Amino acid sequence: TQLLEQSPQFLSIQEGENLTVYCNSSSVFSSLQWYRQEPGEGPVLLVTVVTGGEVKKLKRLTFQFGDARKDSSLHITAAQPGDTGLYLCAFPTGGFKTIFGAGTRLFVKA
Amino acid sequence: NAGVTQTPKFQVLKTGQSMTLQCAQDMNHNSMYWYRQDPGMGLRLIYYSASEGTTDKGEVPNGYNVSRLNKREFSLRLESAAPSQTSVYFCASSEEAISNQPQHFGDGTRLSIL
Repeated sequence: TQLLEQSPQFLSIQEGENLTVYCNSSSVFSSLQWYRQEPGEGPVLLVTVVTGGEVKKLKRLTFQFGDARKDSSLHITAAQPGDTGLYLCAFPTGGFKTIFGAGTRLFVKA
Repeated sequence: NAGVTQTPKFQVLKTGQSMTLQCAQDMNHNSMYWYRQDPGMGLRLIYYSASEGTTDKGEVPNGYNVSRLNKREFSLRLESAAPSQTSVYFCASSEEAISNQPQHFGDGTRLSIL
C-alpha cells in the first residue's frame, strides 16, 4: 500500500481542457512537494506547500494543500501539449527520506 | 549548467554481471541520493549520502553498494545483477540532507537485465 495515493493514474485530454489531479494519504504532512517528470528526463520540482489550506499558482498551474494537510491537488487550466508528463507528489518526512507517489501520467493532445 | 549528470544513459546486462552507475553534480551540494523508478511504484530510495564521507541505506538497498568518491561524485554498484533490478535509476542531489529541500535529479540510467 502506497503512503501517497495519486489519482488518476493516467489522463489523456485535448489541448485547451482543464484538469485536476490528486494526492491523498491517511497521514498528516508537514509539507508536500509536486514534481513534473518529462519523458526521458528526471523529475523537476514545481512547488512546495507547507501550510494547511495554502494555494500556490505557477502560471496555469494551481496547487492546493488540504486544510488537514492530508491531501493536495494540482489544477491545470487550458492544458497545452508541453504539459505532458508524469506528475509526482512527494512527502518530505522530516528526516533524510522523501516518499514519492507513483504519479499521474498526463498526455495532452494537440 | 550541467546540474546532475548520470552515465551511462542505457545499459543491458546479463544476469550475474556487475556494473557501476556514475553520478556527478556541479552545484556544490552536500547530499546525494540514488533512486529506482518502476511502473506503479514511484521513486524508491536505494542509498543516500548526507555529506562527503557518509553513506546510509534507504528503502531498498539489497543488491546494491555505493561510494561517495568526493563531494561531486556518488556511484551505485550492482555486484551481481538480477532481473529484478531492471529499472530506471535516478541520481539526485540537494544542498543539505533535509528532506523538504528540493532535490535535483539527473536524467536517469535505463538498465535492463536479461
